[in-house]
Amino acid sequence: DVKVTQSSRYLVKRTGEKVFLECVQDMDHENMFWYRQDPGLGLRLIYFSYDVKMKEKGDIPEGYSVSREKKERFSLILESASTNQTSMYLCASSLAREGWGYTFGSGTRLTVV
Amino acid sequence: GESVGLHLPTLSVQEGDNSIINCAYSNSASDYFIWYKQESGKGPQFIIDIRSNMDKRQGQRVTVLLNKTVKHLSLQIAATQPGDSAVYFCAENIGRDDKIIFGKGTRLHILP
Repeated sequence: DVKVTQSSRYLVKRTGEKVFLECVQDMDHENMFWYRQDPGLGLRLIYFSYDVKMKEKGDIPEGYSVSREKKERFSLILESASTNQTSMYLCASSLAREGWGYTFGSGTRLTVV
Repeated sequence: GESVGLHLPTLSVQEGDNSIINCAYSNSASDYFIWYKQESGKGPQFIIDIRSNMDKRQGQRVTVLLNKTVKHLSLQIAATQPGDSAVYFCAENIGRDDKIIFGKGTRLHILP
């Protein structure tokens, strides 16, 4: 069964900490995405990547960075966590630039205190 | 600008009845549309998709209708079951890249 795995289900971090959210997919997908999901705002795209060592900003990249050193792994980094980054973070992958549907991970609920 | 939205944030349906979840989109260049289902504590799961050269597509108990004239998309679920309780998202893709724009979601609540 194909999978997108997010390393943590729940995280609690302090303001100012550097936070790493990890995502691994086993489908050999080229494309990977990070979204945050907030009540009433739906899913908002933070960053995405079409290939190894490649990244592009989504709609809300401020306060975040990403790393894709290997095809199967896409990391989201909060350089200095703030309380307004408390959210559900969802990673997704897809096969190619053809508008195929995404496969999502189960999400990481991050609380910044 | 690009946007995908839903008419109702919450929909309550009697078990066994049909459900219809609506979605409006604003970008006439969108050529691929997807419905996702998100159950509590899980990531969104693909339900069904449709390309802009089609008006209707059917799956198992689900049907997606696309009206390009009024930029409207709907998801119909036949004989709604308790397991259909979830938040449903429509999403659109413009085709020049693989970036998908999601709507804000509709919560489907099944009444016993």
